[in-house]
Amino acid sequence: DAKTTQPPSMDCAEGRAANLPCNHSTISGNEYVYWYRQIHSQGPQYIIHGLKNNETNEMASLIITEDRKSSTLILPHATLRDTAVYYCIVRGDHTGTASKLTFGTGTRLQVTL
Amino acid sequence: KAGVTQTPRYLIKTRGQQVTLSCSPISGHRSVSWYQQTPGQGLQFLFEYFSETQRNKGNFPGRFSGRQFSNSRSEMNVSTLELGDSALYLCASSLEDRGYNEQFFGPGTRLTVL
Repeated sequence: DAKTTQPPSMDCAEGRAANLPCNHSTISGNEYVYWYRQIHSQGPQYIIHGLKNNETNEMASLIITEDRKSSTLILPHATLRDTAVYYCIVRGDHTGTASKLTFGTGTRLQVTL
Repeated sequence: KAGVTQTPRYLIKTRGQQVTLSCSPISGHRSVSWYQQTPGQGLQFLFEYFSETQRNKGNFPGRFSGRQFSNSRSEMNVSTLELGDSALYLCASSLEDRGYNEQFFGPGTRLTVL
């Protein structure tokens, strides 16, 4: 699975969009980009994933560059409850095989008033 | 639909003892993975079980073991506890019917070894 690089921390004002970058320059063609977040002392929570196209769900949007070497997670209107560590994970299609996720150090997002 | 549950939520043990942690996956999920989280090492994969078989194992000593039952519930065991085993132990379950892998995590068991 490809290695990812994320900034260690970011700040965002409440109500503004939070844009969290992730670099995955060694990603291969069949690898997905996943985003999880972990609010303090809770289990990680799945946010979104994508392969090639941009994706949006009720929580966030995922923008993947055309060369797939980087991506951005967008929280359109950040709230205090979005304060968490955000993990970008790259993983291949492993249907029927192991479900291991390799977590890096993530980005600690602090949403402030 | 109930989420992933883990018991107990908190546990205090002393060095040399052993401990068993339990995880009940979301109904219908057959894959259960275990992770250890410490301030120094972050989130690390321990092992994964699918249909009662260990399918993958992380880089942990043999003191860490697990099993899965026919109802997909899983337990992990740590024998001869060391101070460094103090951590948050997380369990995650997932479906196997799609190409991508969305894992649902439980709240974790916080183990303190004195």
